[in-house]
Amino acid sequence: AQSVTQLGSHVSVSEGALVLLRCNYSSSVPPYLFWYVQYPNQGLQLLLKYTTGATLVKGINGFEAEFKKSETSFHLTKPSAHMSDAAEYFCAVKAYSGAGSYQLTFGKGTKLSVIP
Amino acid sequence: SAVISQKPSRDICQRGTSLTIQCQVDSQVTMMFWYRQQPGQSLTLIATANQGSEATYESGFVIDKFPISRPNLTFSTLTVSNMSPEDSSIYLCSVVGTTYEQYFGPGTRLTVT
Repeated sequence: AQSVTQLGSHVSVSEGALVLLRCNYSSSVPPYLFWYVQYPNQGLQLLLKYTTGATLVKGINGFEAEFKKSETSFHLTKPSAHMSDAAEYFCAVKAYSGAGSYQLTFGKGTKLSVIP
Repeated sequence: SAVISQKPSRDICQRGTSLTIQCQVDSQVTMMFWYRQQPGQSLTLIATANQGSEATYESGFVIDKFPISRPNLTFSTLTVSNMSPEDSSIYLCSVVGTTYEQYFGPGTRLTVT
């Protein structure tokens, strides 16, 4: 079984400041890791993913995340926040759950506010 | 990536009634999923819908309450039966793409009064 912990249900940053959203996971098998973004009154959009290979992955809208196996972390960053980044962000882990299937497990989400 | 549409986008329903949500994908997919997102909460998997077989429900969800159909590889429906205010949520359809990516529809926002 796997789980995802997102530190901070609500994060506020000033426009132009660094965005750091924290995600830690637990998984008994090698996981695939994802960040999704949900804008108000919209569905989920895939921001970026880690499957294999390079541990620093780049996504859309200037976001990136680094997979650190030793720390079981997959924190999301963006060097300079923009007002349009205000949304809710979900970290998710997908791992093999047996019988040929994979299960996607979500964290509780972090709501990002950007202050002008 | 897959393009997923859902109908209706939102609805307000009375207690005790049922609502059927449709999910259409622009390509054939083997596995489709239905999730629920209660207000201010994360996503919870309701069931996995496979074409040609019965849906597989997660703990806490039962077929009588959430019957699912999967008539072909591009379409599925989820019915929320005998609704109560506790069923007020966003219901999302999801499919698996390549490299284990999972894509989500825009969601159906259900309010039960």
